[in-house]
Amino acid sequence: KAGVTQTPRYLIKTRGQQVTLSCSPISGHRSVSWYQQTPGQGLQFLFEYFSETQRNKGNFPGRFSGRQFSNSRSEMNVSTLELGDSALYLCASTLGRGGYEQYFGPGTRLTVT
Amino acid sequence: AQSVAQPEDQVNVAEGNPLTVKCTYSVSGNPYLFWYVQYPNRGLQFLLKYITGDNLVKGSYGFEAEFNKSQTSFHLKKPSALVSDSALYFCAVRGPFSGGYNKLIFGAGTRLAVHP
Repeated sequence: KAGVTQTPRYLIKTRGQQVTLSCSPISGHRSVSWYQQTPGQGLQFLFEYFSETQRNKGNFPGRFSGRQFSNSRSEMNVSTLELGDSALYLCASTLGRGGYEQYFGPGTRLTVT
Repeated sequence: AQSVAQPEDQVNVAEGNPLTVKCTYSVSGNPYLFWYVQYPNRGLQFLLKYITGDNLVKGSYGFEAEFNKSQTSFHLKKPSALVSDSALYFCAVRGPFSGGYNKLIFGAGTRLAVHP
C-alpha cells in the first residue's frame, strides 16, 4: 500500500507570496492532519480534516488555511508569506474512526526569502 | 492542558548496549501515547503506541516502551542499540480526548547517537 505523499518536496518563495501544498493520504484513510516543524518551535499542529470538514485547528494565524477533497486529498495554503513561515510542513493520515496512529509523509520544505 | 516532556536533548549509547529515551506526559483523562522516529530529511515514522492494556508495548525495529501511570512516563527502550538507530525520536500524546480527533502534541525530541 502506498504511503502518504506530499508535493512539492521543496519550495522557495518570497515574502508576501502565497503557497499551496498538497497531501495525498494512504488509500482508505479519511483523516488528514498538518504539522509545522521548525528548529525553534518543534512540531506544532496546524489543523485536521475529516470527511472534508475541519474538525480541529491549532494556534496559527488565519493566513494558514486548508481544505480536504472528497477523495481525502488535502491542501494547505499560506498567504502573505513571512520569513518565519520557513519550515518543514508535514502531512499525516489516519484511518479515521478506530484508527489511532498517524502516518506521516516526507514533508514539504518551504523556504521563504 | 496536555503536554509532553523529553528531558534529554541527546542520548549517547554504545552499539550493543541497551538504550532508553525518556518521556513524561501531562494529560487529563486516559492518555493515548506514541513514539515516532525521524531520520534526516524524512518525515516521521511510527514506532509504537499505548492506548490501553499491557503496560509494556512492543513496536517496530525491536523497540518497546513502558507505560507508567503513577509516574506519568512512557519511556522508549531497546535491549541492544544499533548504529542505524541513530536518529531524532519524538514522544507524542493525542488530544483532545473527546470526539476522536487526531491532534498530536509532541515533545521537543531527543537525538539518539549510537557509537560503534
